[in-house]
Amino acid sequence: DARVTQTPRHKVTEMGQEVTMRCQPILGHNTVFWYRQTMMQGLELLAYFRNRAPLDDSGMPKDRFSAEMPDATLATLKIQPSEPRDSAVYFCASGLTGLAEQYFGPGTRLTVT
Amino acid sequence: AQSVTQLGSHVSVSEGALVLLRCNYSSSVPPYLFWYVQYPNQGLQLLLKYTTGATLVKGINGFEAEFKKSETSFHLTKPSAHMSDAAEYFCAVTVINKFYFGSGTKLNVKP
Repeated sequence: DARVTQTPRHKVTEMGQEVTMRCQPILGHNTVFWYRQTMMQGLELLAYFRNRAPLDDSGMPKDRFSAEMPDATLATLKIQPSEPRDSAVYFCASGLTGLAEQYFGPGTRLTVT
Repeated sequence: AQSVTQLGSHVSVSEGALVLLRCNYSSSVPPYLFWYVQYPNQGLQLLLKYTTGATLVKGINGFEAEFKKSETSFHLTKPSAHMSDAAEYFCAVTVINKFYFGSGTKLNVKP
């Protein structure tokens, strides 16, 4: 049963600390998406990769957020320094060009105090 | 510009009643259309999708949706609601590999 995995599932940290979230896309998928979900803003696209190359990161605050794909099996989202307004659930999704749909991971719930 | 509008952030139905969740989209090119469901503390799960072909598509858990180009709509329906259908539902459009999600509709099912 192929699925997207995300670690950690929950993270509580203090303001100013670095946070790293990891995502393992479904094997063979070549597109990866990072989303942030909050009550106020709903689901926001932060970044989008195809074949490990960033195609769109216009939704990501550039000064503190960074997203990378070191290899085809790992995507990372870093926040440095973290702020309380970053508290949200961060989802990773993967897909395959031509299939159109995305498959979501269970999310990382981040709380910044 | 592409966008997705879901009418009604909260919908409440009785168990056994018809479920109708509305979605309208705007797109300059033929879109692909999706419905996703999110249960509490979980990620989004694909319910159904329309790409091409038959405009009435069936998904998991008894849900179906009809693509109506003239109305730019893709409403989600289920003939008889179950308690287990209580969740948040998202309509999404993809155009040229970019996804646009609606703001979501929370479905409450009353006993």
